[in-house]
Amino acid sequence: GQQLNQSPQSMFIQEGEDVSMNCTSSSIFNTWLWYKQDPGEGPVLLIALYKAGELTSNGRLTAQFGITRKDSFLNISASIPSDVGIYFCAGQLSQDSNYQLIWGAGTKLIIKP
Amino acid sequence: NAGVTQTPKFQVLKTGQSMTLQCAQDMNHNSMYWYRQDPGMGLRLIYYSASEGTTDKGEVPNGYNVSRLNKREFSLRLESAAPSQTSVYFCASRIDGGNIQYFGAGTRLSVL
Repeated sequence: GQQLNQSPQSMFIQEGEDVSMNCTSSSIFNTWLWYKQDPGEGPVLLIALYKAGELTSNGRLTAQFGITRKDSFLNISASIPSDVGIYFCAGQLSQDSNYQLIWGAGTKLIIKP
Repeated sequence: NAGVTQTPKFQVLKTGQSMTLQCAQDMNHNSMYWYRQDPGMGLRLIYYSASEGTTDKGEVPNGYNVSRLNKREFSLRLESAAPSQTSVYFCASRIDGGNIQYFGAGTRLSVL
């Protein structure tokens, strides 16, 4: 099936560092969603993007819808311990009228002690 | 403020046993989904239901069956569990007219 390439697969960071992750595809999307999964829980929506070039923030998180419509980026500023978890991107293809989502494999964020 | 509720949270099965994973949502959504999550592979769609009375296969349907019992409930059944079905299973429902999905807390299944 369709694939989203999400990178990096995992990140070890120091508390206070900024974090960047991205998702890319060879296909064009009309929606990008970013979810976070805490350990032992289900994914929870962080940010939704609907227009090419759109830049949206949610607290210390900022996500962008790439202008080519084939990628999206998530940045976390000044990371804190509760940021640990798995971050997923998901997108809806522009030709999909059924609202189906294509999922990235996730970026696991680990904070160094 | 329940959202999507999944039961059980944990389950251990022996190879060949059967079981049904339950999912219910209280948001009056038409569309519901079952995913499995395996390390490094993200979320893979097993089955979905666009509305009460309809179900469709997703990316990895083999070994599973589903029932959309009513608008609230969407169950996933393993008729003869296999070790390859050891995974974390998530149910989700989708807001009508949009693509945002809301997830349950998951069922962690081990098949020995």
